[in-house]
Amino acid sequence: GEDVEQSLFLSVREGDSSVINCTYTDSSSTYLYWYKQEPGAGLQLLTYIFSNMDMKQDQRLTVLLNKKDKHLSLRIADTQTGDSAIYFCAESIIEYGNKLVFGAGTILRVKS
Amino acid sequence: KAGVTQTPRYLIKTRGQQVTLSCSPISGHRSVSWYQQTPGQGLQFLFEYFSETQRNKGNFPGRFSGRQFSNSRSEMNVSTLELGDSALYLCASSGTGGQTGELFFGEGSRLTVL
Repeated sequence: GEDVEQSLFLSVREGDSSVINCTYTDSSSTYLYWYKQEPGAGLQLLTYIFSNMDMKQDQRLTVLLNKKDKHLSLRIADTQTGDSAIYFCAESIIEYGNKLVFGAGTILRVKS
Repeated sequence: KAGVTQTPRYLIKTRGQQVTLSCSPISGHRSVSWYQQTPGQGLQFLFEYFSETQRNKGNFPGRFSGRQFSNSRSEMNVSTLELGDSALYLCASSGTGGQTGELFFGEGSRLTVL
């Protein structure tokens, strides 16, 4: 079945790196996503990775995928106060088209 | 290029009423999917439309319905509103019916049921 789990809260100091972790259960996941949600706003697509990749880098963001352990992580380098938000991990499965299964979200708090 | 547009952004209804929410996808996108976000249940998939056809449906009662028009704009309707339907309803747009990895969300419609 489909299930995505994330830790609920992460606090870091400005300038440090943040690492947000996620585990998923469905081995037929095809794409894995990271979304950011700020208060009162919708979901902003940060990055995504196809399941046959193990790493993707995009400016300050690095996604690592361990398919054997079904573990996904998002590293934010040089974290800024503007990065404070809720981060959602999500998976999609090819049989279900564009249906996403989301984790509960990780609240990232950046202290100046 | 305009993003995903959802209207209205905020609305208040009373129990028993019905509501219609609208979503205009990114120009050229043909897939629209809907999600409900609540503090208790998180983000849950409602349904997906592609080329005016419903392709997938989540585990919601029949009071939740949707449709897609020939210009790819989509509407969702909730009839006989209940207090528990209070939520942020998010629409997502994708370029193709198959998976491309790019799924963009709108700002959402926040529904309050009194």
